[in-house]
Formats: sequence, C-alpha cells, structure tokens
Amino acid sequence: DTEVTQTPKHLVMGMTNKKSLKCEQHMGHRAMYWYKQKAKKPPELMFVYSYEKLSINESVPSRFSPECPNSSLLNLHLHALQPEDSALYLCASRMTGSNQPQHFGDGTRLSIL
Amino acid sequence: SQQGEEDPQALSIQEGENATMNCSYKTSINNLQWYRQNSGRGLVHLILIRSNEREKHSGRLRVTLDTSKKSSSLLITASRAADTASYFCATKKGGTSYGKLTFGQGTILTVHP
Repeated sequence: DTEVTQTPKHLVMGMTNKKSLKCEQHMGHRAMYWYKQKAKKPPELMFVYSYEKLSINESVPSRFSPECPNSSLLNLHLHALQPEDSALYLCASRMTGSNQPQHFGDGTRLSIL
Repeated sequence: SQQGEEDPQALSIQEGENATMNCSYKTSINNLQWYRQNSGRGLVHLILIRSNEREKHSGRLRVTLDTSKKSSSLLITASRAADTASYFCATKKGGTSYGKLTFGQGTILTVHP
C-alpha cells in the first residue's frame, strides 16, 4: 500500500468530457507533483506545487488544469483531451529539503476514446 | 527532456544471481535516486545517494556514484523473482529546483525462478 492515494484507478473518457483526477497524502508533505507516463517510458513531469502554489509548469497544454485546494490534496482537471493523452498519470509528494525522495501513488490509468 | 541513460535497457537473470544496472547523466547534481516500478504500479523509492557520497547500501542493494564520470550503478544481490520490475535512476540538481527529478530511460529486470 502506498501513502499517496490516487482516484480513480482507471478512467475512460471521450474527447469532449470533463473529468478530474484526485491525489491525497497525509504525510505533511508540502511539495506535490503530477507526472504523465507512457508505456515503457520514464515519468514525465507535468506540474509541481510547493506550499500549495504552482511552482513549475512544464509547458503542459491548457486542457490539463492542476489545482491544489490544500496541503493534502492535489487535483488534475481534464477537458477536451486527445487520444495521445492516454497514459498513466502519477502523483507524488515530498517533504521539503534537498535530499528527500518522492513518494508516488499507484496512478490513474487514463484512456481517451 | 531526459538527461539520464540507463543500461542495459533489459536484463534477464536467474534467481540467486546478481543484477547490475548503470545510469549516466549529463549535468552536475545534488543527489541521485533509484526507484523501482512494478507493472501497473507507481514508483517506489529504493535509495538516495548524495553527490558527496561514493557508495551506499540498503539490504541487498548497493549503489555507487562516480561524479567525475557522471555515472551510477545499482547492484541487487541474490535476486528474487519478486525483484522483477523496471528500475529508474533519477537525478536532482542543486539550487531551487522544487525537488524536480530527471529520470533515466529505465532498465527492465526479469528474474526467472
């Protein structure tokens, strides 16, 4: 079991749908991350939140909209996605400090029809 | 962009044998981390080695870091079938990077019982 919980585990949506991915941690971590991972590839960083503020956006298309309502919760709002957006979306959190590892959830497997 | 390269891309061994994976990177780093990912799951942190460290052990894992060659290796001794997974190295730069990691391409390890 991981300490970072992601819901839902699987999501199938059409290109015109709006949906949200949710990530929750109760470890007191103040840095949270969204990654996209394609099959047999490493995770690609999308967004970083530090103390609930968006600190890094890796030039992600606006059809992905992150939100950090509080220090325990991270959302990723999805709208008008494309088939190439089908992937495993991973959330991670980390204690602040130079030499702290990231803790990952098990991800949401997203399929765009 | 991914700066890390791992080799081999795939490794197949028998239970009880040792497995060695290598990672190279291009820029100066603050630390280097190794993660394991089982099929369909999130990443699990294995070990973190700081830039001023040369070797680190954790159970059956041994990690070395050579900053002059910008390379690291992960050795898993007495492998088990349960070690079958993808292994990723990830580097963290110094400075205000919000803990951003740059992942290598990964090594797929298969341990046959």
